[in-house]
Amino acid sequence: QVQFVQSATEVEKPGASVKVSCEASGYTFTQYPIHWMRQAPGQRLQWVGWINGGTGNTRYSQKLQGRVTLTRDTSASTAYMELSSLTSEDTAVYYCARRYCSGGSCFHDYWGQGTLVIVSS
Amino acid sequence: HSVLTQPPSASGTPGQRVTISCSGSSSDIGSNSVNWYQQFPGTAPKLVIYGNNQRPSGVPDRFSGSKSGTSASLAISGLQSEDEADYHCAAWDDSLNGVVFGGGTKLTVL
Repeated sequence: QVQFVQSATEVEKPGASVKVSCEASGYTFTQYPIHWMRQAPGQRLQWVGWINGGTGNTRYSQKLQGRVTLTRDTSASTAYMELSSLTSEDTAVYYCARRYCSGGSCFHDYWGQGTLVIVSS
Repeated sequence: HSVLTQPPSASGTPGQRVTISCSGSSSDIGSNSVNWYQQFPGTAPKLVIYGNNQRPSGVPDRFSGSKSGTSASLAISGLQSEDEADYHCAAWDDSLNGVVFGGGTKLTVL
């Protein structure tokens, strides 16, 4: 079965960077894009960006463009999200999810368990 | 910044039918299909409706979705206590070239 396992909670200081991993299993990693979302405490889900599992092409949200970098290691079926110049506003749970398309519709069908990133001095 | 609008809360008694609305614009719901996610506290979202009105395997047929113009709705009939959760709508936004989400609706089963 399709499954994503994300890395553990991270605590970082303002100005630092964080890198979160997302290991996929149960499907061919290179055939589907992986999207990243985040959810700050009490806030709505926010789309971060996506990476093509095969080509490595990326697209980022306008809000985070310049601070976020998505990469993947196909040999390890793992995607990574790195966020730099952290502020307290980046404190959130970060999720990876597979983007699947069927019948003209695309959606996130499987999600990782989430990684809590805390930014605090 | 384009976002989808949902009521913050909804409620119903066991057995009732409840609906949750999601309002967007021409660049998101008006141009693309809507998906709905169920989320329990401390867990990841789970897909319950995709493509406006399609149910993934394993989701009870008590869950249904619809879309008209720039709005969409999630309906849950025969409400059960285990349906108490947050529900989020989502759609692709052509102007942002990314996914936009609603603010989430907390469903309470009285």
